Amino acid sequence: QKEVEQNSGPLSVPEGAIASLNCTYSDRGSQSFFWYRQYSGKSPELIMFIYSNGDKEDGRFTAQLNKASQYVSLLIRDSQPSDSATYLCAAGGFKTIFGAGTRLFVKA
Amino acid sequence: DTAVSQTPKYLVTQMGNDKSIKCEQNLGHDTMYWYKQDSKKFLKIMFSYNNKELIINETVPNRFSPKSPDKAHLNLHINSLELGDSAVYFCASSQEWGSYEQFFGPGTRLTVL
Repeated sequence: QKEVEQNSGPLSVPEGAIASLNCTYSDRGSQSFFWYRQYSGKSPELIMFIYSNGDKEDGRFTAQLNKASQYVSLLIRDSQPSDSATYLCAAGGFKTIFGAGTRLFVKA
Repeated sequence: DTAVSQTPKYLVTQMGNDKSIKCEQNLGHDTMYWYKQDSKKFLKIMFSYNNKELIINETVPNRFSPKSPDKAHLNLHINSLELGDSAVYFCASSQEWGSYEQFFGPGTRLTVL
C-alpha cells in the first residue's frame, strides 16, 4: 500500500514564527511532490510543488525534498493567522497519493 | 470564471436513493478525477479519466458509477445511497495524466440520512 504520512497536528506557532510541516512517502517511484492548503469548508489549493532534491522557494514558502530519505517538508516563514489551515502533502506518480494533512494554527 | 465547478454544492438525501453529482472544467485539461474526503479529512482517489477513458478505478463499491461524456465533464452517479457515503466529494482536473498539479472544484457535501 503506497502511503503518504503526515503528523495530523495541530501544529501551533505564534505569528511571525517559522512553521515547519513534514511528510514522508513510501513509493520510491514518486516523481513529484505537492503541498496543498485547505481552509475549513473549502477545497484544496496548490501552494508549492517540487520535483528535484533540494530546496525550492516561493515567497514565504520553501519546499524541501530528500528522495533518499523519502522526505518532503514545507517551511512557512513569517507565519500569519491567515496561514491557519490544513496542509496536505501529496506524492505524484502513476497516481497522486495524498496524506491526511497537518492542521496548522497561527496564533495572533 | 470558475475553473472547476461542481453541482450541487450540498446534497441531503435518504438512504436507498440514487443521486448524481456533476463536474465541469474550463481549463482545457485532459484528466479529471473524483475524490472522497471523509470526516477525518483524508482525501482518497476514487476514479480518474484521461481523455474520456477510465484510468483509475479504486476499490469503490459498484454503486458508484462515473461517466465522462467529454473531456470537460466528469459526472458521478451513486445508486442505493448508504449512511457511509456521507462525505465531501471533490472533482479535480490536471493538464495531463501523470504527476501534474491538480485543480479542485468547490466540493459537494453529501449527507445521507
